[in-house]
Amino acid sequence: NAGVTQTPKFQVLKTGQSMTLQCAQDMNHNSMYWYRQDPGMGLRLIYYSASEGTTDKGEVPNGYNVSRLNKREFSLRLESAAPSQTSVYFCASSAWTGQPQETQYFGPGTRLLVL
Amino acid sequence: AQSVTQLDSQVPVFEEAPVELRCNYSSSVSVYLFWYVQYPNQGLQLLLKYLSGSTLVKGINGFEAEFNKSQTSFHLRKPSVHISDTAEYFCAVSDSGGSNYKLTFGKGTLLTVNP
Repeated sequence: NAGVTQTPKFQVLKTGQSMTLQCAQDMNHNSMYWYRQDPGMGLRLIYYSASEGTTDKGEVPNGYNVSRLNKREFSLRLESAAPSQTSVYFCASSAWTGQPQETQYFGPGTRLLVL
Repeated sequence: AQSVTQLDSQVPVFEEAPVELRCNYSSSVSVYLFWYVQYPNQGLQLLLKYLSGSTLVKGINGFEAEFNKSQTSFHLRKPSVHISDTAEYFCAVSDSGGSNYKLTFGKGTLLTVNP
């Protein structure tokens, strides 16, 4: 049981390049999330998917797109990377069974540097 | 809208000393409160959470937190810390008002335990 996995672990991009961050979970969770973590800012929600087939914007969605490929996988795409998108990106999942807030389970993160 | 304030960005302590990490929240509805820990170069993992009932919540690794509704606080405590507790700690809040439970994180407190 791997939990939440993310690829790649580290990436360097040039301004204007595109890339997709991959996330997968093997816990049969319904909800998945993408966060970015910047020094002194905590974690900020980029996009989330409450269930397969649905996605919604979070606090900082500009410059990103997401795809909920199936129940297991939730990808984050940067179409034209900018230096302001240099950050650590975390994917998370939760069961979302309708009960009071479930725990979110986090992946190990992807460190992205945009030059 | 909900928000979280972690009052200290850094807390240095000596090994075996007690520690308190402070967290205040604001929300117009009933809340659920969480503490997550992030060890160096890792993702976040749940320490403990308050959903309802007893205001004193015990978590993993000897940590506990007390929910104080009148002071809108959820401070994290440990009576005796170890070197291995060195990590960043995040307080988070979720409210019951939305159709999807989303977490709002504080900016984090870096706990450094010195020998």
